[in-house]
Amino acid sequence: EAGVVQSPRYKIIEKKQPVAFWCNPISGHNTLYWYRQNLGQGPELLIRYENEEAVDDSQLPKDRFSAERLKGVDSTLKIQPAELGDSAVYLCASSPGPVHDDTQYFGPGTRLTVL
Amino acid sequence: AQSVTQLDSQVPVFEEAPVELRCNYSSSVSVYLFWYVQYPNQGLQLLLKYLSGSTLVKGINGFEAEFNKSQTSFHLRKPSVHISDTAEYFCAVTVPGTGFQKLVFGTGTRLLVSP
Repeated sequence: EAGVVQSPRYKIIEKKQPVAFWCNPISGHNTLYWYRQNLGQGPELLIRYENEEAVDDSQLPKDRFSAERLKGVDSTLKIQPAELGDSAVYLCASSPGPVHDDTQYFGPGTRLTVL
Repeated sequence: AQSVTQLDSQVPVFEEAPVELRCNYSSSVSVYLFWYVQYPNQGLQLLLKYLSGSTLVKGINGFEAEFNKSQTSFHLRKPSVHISDTAEYFCAVTVPGTGFQKLVFGTGTRLLVSP
């Protein structure tokens, strides 16, 4: 079974430029998550989707961050414009859905460097 | 709200020695607990989880953890480590009833195994 796929793996941009990250979850997983992991920290949730609906985006900085999950499968996270403080690893995870054992499975992440 | 404290940011150990990585959580209600491992430049992989039942949980790669409700701890142990166990280890907690979606991670413990 294929895992969570993310691209690109690495991205270096100048501040004020836009950037986008793509995630394809495990087939059949209804719930998709975007996390940000700062250096030396644990992941922090940015947004959670149930199918195509964003059900928890309370931690998403909406002035510059946006996300979409069209058709309830793959998802894109965008930053526009990027700031120096956005340098981090952006992790995507998926899980089967709101059932008893709803373990999250993580992708390899996208390491963003903003210069 | 729940929180997780990983007391050691880094744990150096020699190959074939035992190791314990400490995790304490704070919550006023019952919790589910998880340990994830992150190898360099990779995403998080689930090692083990405690949902209910036996307080001693066995996971992959020879790791185990013990849930101690009175001490609000969920320490991770391995009787004999390998060089390949060098990685970052994250403890996480969520509250039943919120589903598994509200994962709160600790700051991580870097395990360094040397020959």
